[in-house]
Formats: sequence, structure tokens, C-alpha cells
Amino acid sequence: QSALTQPPSASGSPGQSVAISCTGTSSDVGAYNYVSWYQHHPGKAPKLMIYEVSKRPSGVPDRFSGSKSGNTASLTVSGLQAEDEADYYCSSYAGSNISPVVFGGGTKLTVL
Amino acid sequence: EVQLVESGGGLVQPGGSLRLSCAASGFTFTDYWMIWVRQTPGKGLEWVANIRQDGNENYYLDSVRGRFTISRDNAKTSLYLQMNSLRAEDTAVYYCARPRPYYSLDVWGQGTTVTVSS
Repeated sequence: QSALTQPPSASGSPGQSVAISCTGTSSDVGAYNYVSWYQHHPGKAPKLMIYEVSKRPSGVPDRFSGSKSGNTASLTVSGLQAEDEADYYCSSYAGSNISPVVFGGGTKLTVL
Repeated sequence: EVQLVESGGGLVQPGGSLRLSCAASGFTFTDYWMIWVRQTPGKGLEWVANIRQDGNENYYLDSVRGRFTISRDNAKTSLYLQMNSLRAEDTAVYYCARPRPYYSLDVWGQGTTVTVSS
């Protein structure tokens, strides 16, 4: 069982928006504004899509956005495209280098 | 190009050992802590170990402490994970990654698969 809880699946049609939730606790997601989201196409390296709750690395389309409320963070993908179909993982800083990061179990996003 | 390339995975019997390597290029390796993360079947991603820039500080997931050893060779810009006393539950794809501040991981390798089975 993963430390952060994500729905196992999500789906949407091309052009639609979909939101993926990530629920933690007051010790991780709720404690820090250091939630990240990763896109993973099987067999490839995971790709950082969002960091520090809502910041996008260079090159990530602005169709991807992040937010947080309390112990739950969310990734929203707007204007869904076929290439967005992938597994998405959230993570949160966990407080120190001793146990630095916790992850969600992943959400399979299907573009219908 | 910033890149991490893992190697060393394979099939090993329970109780056996493997050494994973991760070759880094395209960035100043000594500027970063480094981390190993694994993806187990059905369990998502899991932090395994991390190591400070000079190699003199490191930390481990409770279930691997005492069996796994993380190390680095800054001259070779390489990260390692020595895995001993392997168990079936260590079966996973192992990734090395580069952490930004507060452990958003902005560079990942493609992973190397470790299968522990008799």
C-alpha cells in the first residue's frame, strides 16, 4: 500500500479535462507545498510534470496544472490529447533526507 | 544532454546479490544528492535510498536497511546500489534519479529490472 492515495484509473475524451487526486496526511501533503507529479509511459523514464504543487518545468505544456487543498493535491490535464495517455504518480516531500519522499500508487489515464 | 543510465539488473535467486549502476552525464554530478527509487508490481513507486554529494551521508528504506548499500564514485559520475540478501519483495524496476530541492525528481533513468525468484 502506497503512502499517498491515488485513484487507480481516470479517463476522458480528447479535448476534455480530467483531474487526478492525491491524498496524503498532515505529515506530508498537508505539511509542505512540495508536491510533484510525474508522467510515466511504460518502458520510458518518468517525467516531472509539476513540482512545488503548481510549477511546471520548462517544456511541459500549460495544459498540465496542479493545486492543493489541505491533505489532497490534484493534477488537472486540460485539452486531453492522445499522447497524454500514461501513468501519473504524485509525490510529496516528507520532511528530511532521512525519509525524504513518499509516492502515490499511480493513476492510469486513458484517453478514450 | 542530461542523462542517467542504469544497468546491472537481472534474475537472481532469493538470498542472492546484485549491484546496480547508474551512469550520470550532462550535469555536475557533485552538485546533487542522488536517489534510488523502485517500482514494484502493483505498489507504485517507493524511495529506496539516497546519498549526499560527498558520499558521507546516506539513508535507507527500513525494509532494505542492512541489506542494501548506496554509494557513488564522483570521479566516474556514477551511482551504485549493492543489493544483498535479496527477497522476492525486492522484485521491481529500479530507477536512479536526481532530486531538486525538496525531492522533486527532475531527471530519471529508464530503469533496470530486478527479479528475485527461484
